[in-house]
Amino acid sequence: QKEVEQNSGPLSVPEGAIASLNCTYSDRGSQSFFWYRQYSGKSPELIMFIYSNGDKEDGRFTAQLNKASQYVSLLIRDSQPSDSATYLCAVSSIYNQGGKLIFGQGTELSVKP
Amino acid sequence: EPEVTQTPSHQVTQMGQEVILRCVPISNHLYFYWYRQILGQKVEFLVSFYNNEISEKSEIFDDQFSVERPDGSNFTLKIRSTKLEDSAMYFCASSLLAGGPYNEQFFGPGTRLTVL
Repeated sequence: QKEVEQNSGPLSVPEGAIASLNCTYSDRGSQSFFWYRQYSGKSPELIMFIYSNGDKEDGRFTAQLNKASQYVSLLIRDSQPSDSATYLCAVSSIYNQGGKLIFGQGTELSVKP
Repeated sequence: EPEVTQTPSHQVTQMGQEVILRCVPISNHLYFYWYRQILGQKVEFLVSFYNNEISEKSEIFDDQFSVERPDGSNFTLKIRSTKLEDSAMYFCASSLLAGGPYNEQFFGPGTRLTVL
């Protein structure tokens, strides 16, 4: 069973701090990694994706991928109360030609003013 | 900005009834998906669809489920005989392609299905 694991949290950070969200995956065939944000009762909203080892920055967000350690993370700089949500890590594999995403259970982030 | 739309936003049905959930994917996208999320649980893949046929399906997607693209814009999920455990939020998503970075999937707002 291919798994994607995240700490469920809640992760609480003060406003303006860096929030660090982590995700591990078990399938070595995983090729693309996606971070979604989900507000309570809403649908997942794509924040960014990464598929090469290293860092990828987009505004206040940085995704980091280490395929050798099977680890992907999301850093949120200058965290705002509006960033309070559940962050979902999702992975697609070269073995899933139909584009299936496997999701982690999500990490709840709370940014305190 | 283009977006995925879904109707209805909330569907209440009796156990054993058929339901059809509707989605309009982003217009230039070629792959379409259904996922579901039971309250408090992970988002789970149901099925992907490309070129008018199923590309991949999960164990959840049994004979009670079917998908269809009845015209050039709509994509539907049918549950033939609903069970209590089908109660969940159902999300439609679409992507340009299904490989690598082109697998960015954009989700619709969801349909909350309640089976009584």
